[in-house]
Amino acid sequence: DGGITQSPKYLFRKEGQNVTLSCEQNLNHDAMYWYRQDPGQGLRLIYYSQIVNDFQKGDIAEGYSVSREKKESFPLTVTSAQKNPTAFYLCASSMSGVGYTGELFFGEGSRLTVL
Amino acid sequence: KQEVTQIPAALSVPEGENLVLNCSFTDSAIYNLQWFRQDPGKGLTSLLLIQSSQREQTSGRLNASLDKSSGRSTLYIAASQPGDSATYLCAVKDDKIIFGKGTRLHILP
Repeated sequence: DGGITQSPKYLFRKEGQNVTLSCEQNLNHDAMYWYRQDPGQGLRLIYYSQIVNDFQKGDIAEGYSVSREKKESFPLTVTSAQKNPTAFYLCASSMSGVGYTGELFFGEGSRLTVL
Repeated sequence: KQEVTQIPAALSVPEGENLVLNCSFTDSAIYNLQWFRQDPGKGLTSLLLIQSSQREQTSGRLNASLDKSSGRSTLYIAASQPGDSATYLCAVKDDKIIFGKGTRLHILP
């Protein structure tokens, strides 16, 4: 089945450690996104990529890094520079461009807890 | 700057009632508006997408409308069921995708 797979579902990290969250899609979508969700707040955009080997910062990129070496993969690294990394992280993708609706699809999320 | 608001933040209704969820946005120059459902601890599931040129979309018991001029969208749920209990979010796309904070819906059996 086509979809977006995020792993791991749950992750615990000690302060000072970098962690990488995986996001893989088999929808052949061009655009991929990373969002952060905190209780009582809306989704906030961390990074997005509209094409392989290119990505842009979102609203809260500080302390995060990404890569887009393959169309189907968009991993997110939460670095030790991120001051408050405990959150629920959501990956999304869409087909962009003329003739496409731009409908956004999401993975099941990864919950990161910093101990 | 585009802002998206969903009121109320939470809503409880008895099973079987029809209900309307609201989404308002400040800038009418949008490409589309999308409604999602989110269950606790899960990702977002796309329900309906309305293009800027459309007025409404329907899927089963769900109907979403869009009035760009007034900056409003509604999600109508017919004959509500306990399984409809979830958080419903709307998102508008202009040059970015902006989400509302959602309405937490509880259907009482």
